[in-house]
Amino acid sequence: DQQVKQNSPSLSVQEGRISILNCDYTNSMFDYFLWYKKYPAEGPTFLISISSIKDKNEDGRFTVFLNKSAKHLSLHIVPSQPGDSAVYFCAASGSGSARQLTFGSGTQLTVLP
Amino acid sequence: DGGITQSPKYLFRKEGQNVTLSCEQNLNHDAMYWYRQDPGQGLRLIYYSQIVNDFQKGDIAEGYSVSREKKESFPLTVTSAQKNPTAFYLCASRPQWPSGNTIYFGEGSWLTVV
Repeated sequence: DQQVKQNSPSLSVQEGRISILNCDYTNSMFDYFLWYKKYPAEGPTFLISISSIKDKNEDGRFTVFLNKSAKHLSLHIVPSQPGDSAVYFCAASGSGSARQLTFGSGTQLTVLP
Repeated sequence: DGGITQSPKYLFRKEGQNVTLSCEQNLNHDAMYWYRQDPGQGLRLIYYSQIVNDFQKGDIAEGYSVSREKKESFPLTVTSAQKNPTAFYLCASRPQWPSGNTIYFGEGSWLTVV
């Protein structure tokens, strides 16, 4: 039972345009959401996060939107750059002291020059 | 230079052998984690530890063992009981709640069974 789902395994976008990566979750106890970027054979790098008390968080070219009623979040990258090409993982964390992350299966983003 | 160091980067194991992957962090984080990534899949939690001398099984702990004798170190042993050990292994750490919500990862270790 996948609690965090990224239904698009891949996405291609032209350089300079917007990239939108989507993520859905099923567990209503999740209250903190993160996006990670990963290159092959490297560890994931933290990009941006959002708490369930917010519906938007912005950091430079990256914006994360959270729709709690739909249990959906998205990552917007504007403008997209070739260096953004990587696998993007959505992750969610619940309350409690353990707070381990549950990850989606990832979306491979390719930004075309 | 703070961070999480995993070693070795690449490891080959013969069937029936146990191997240990090292993970060291100098971030003074209390919680540490081991994840496994298989091609085309997300990261799955193997074990985690919130404090020294304590650890908990994750979703796929069978065939693995860990120890947490020091705050800085959280080694993972892949035993011969693990049926499909070839994968990319990631160690991570996080400050203890409520100091921080973000988990930070090491660079990963490739394990291949030959």
